[in-house]
Amino acid sequence: KAGVTQTPRYLIKTRGQQVTLSCSPISGHRSVSWYQQTPGQGLQFLFEYFSETQRNKGNFPGRFSGRQFSNSRSEMNVSTLELGDSALYLCASSQGRGKARGYTFGSGTRLTVV
Amino acid sequence: DQQVKQNSPSLSVQEGRISILNCDYTNSMFDYFLWYKKYPAEGPTFLISISSIKDKNEDGRFTVFLNKSAKHLSLHIVPSQPGDSAVYFCAAGNTDKLIFGTGTRLQVFP
Repeated sequence: KAGVTQTPRYLIKTRGQQVTLSCSPISGHRSVSWYQQTPGQGLQFLFEYFSETQRNKGNFPGRFSGRQFSNSRSEMNVSTLELGDSALYLCASSQGRGKARGYTFGSGTRLTVV
Repeated sequence: DQQVKQNSPSLSVQEGRISILNCDYTNSMFDYFLWYKKYPAEGPTFLISISSIKDKNEDGRFTVFLNKSAKHLSLHIVPSQPGDSAVYFCAAGNTDKLIFGTGTRLQVFP
């Protein structure tokens, strides 16, 4: 069974540009969540999608957006990149919205903004 | 507002000894608690969980304890092995959300 796939693995962008990250969840998983990991901040919740609808959103500015497609694949977009957006972006999928079983994470996309 | 806190950013333990990682939370609506382990360049992997109706869950060398009155949970690893060296995240949640702590870096030395 394939795991959660995130592409690309590494990305270097210039301040002011925009970027789109992709996540393919485990087959059959309908919930996809995105997290930002930075040193000292742990995993900061960005948003969660379930059946193409955003169900929850964290405390991030509107420059961060996402969407989910009918096949449950999800994309995350960051516009007008800032240096502080440099981080590891992790996607996680689960079968349903219940959190009891936790998530399965992808390996992440390492974004560097210069 | 950090709802889930891991106050120790790092922990160093000798191989064979017990590792105890701690986590505090503030929201009494959380009803499920989990621990994840993360190696560099990989995503976090699920380790062990506990629901709010229990106070202990054991899986091999890993035991999670939950003290609801103190809003505190801990992960015990016995005996610790060098392969356990990683960053450990605790997480607390309910149907709506899963909140992670800031992580504790565990180093197990020979």
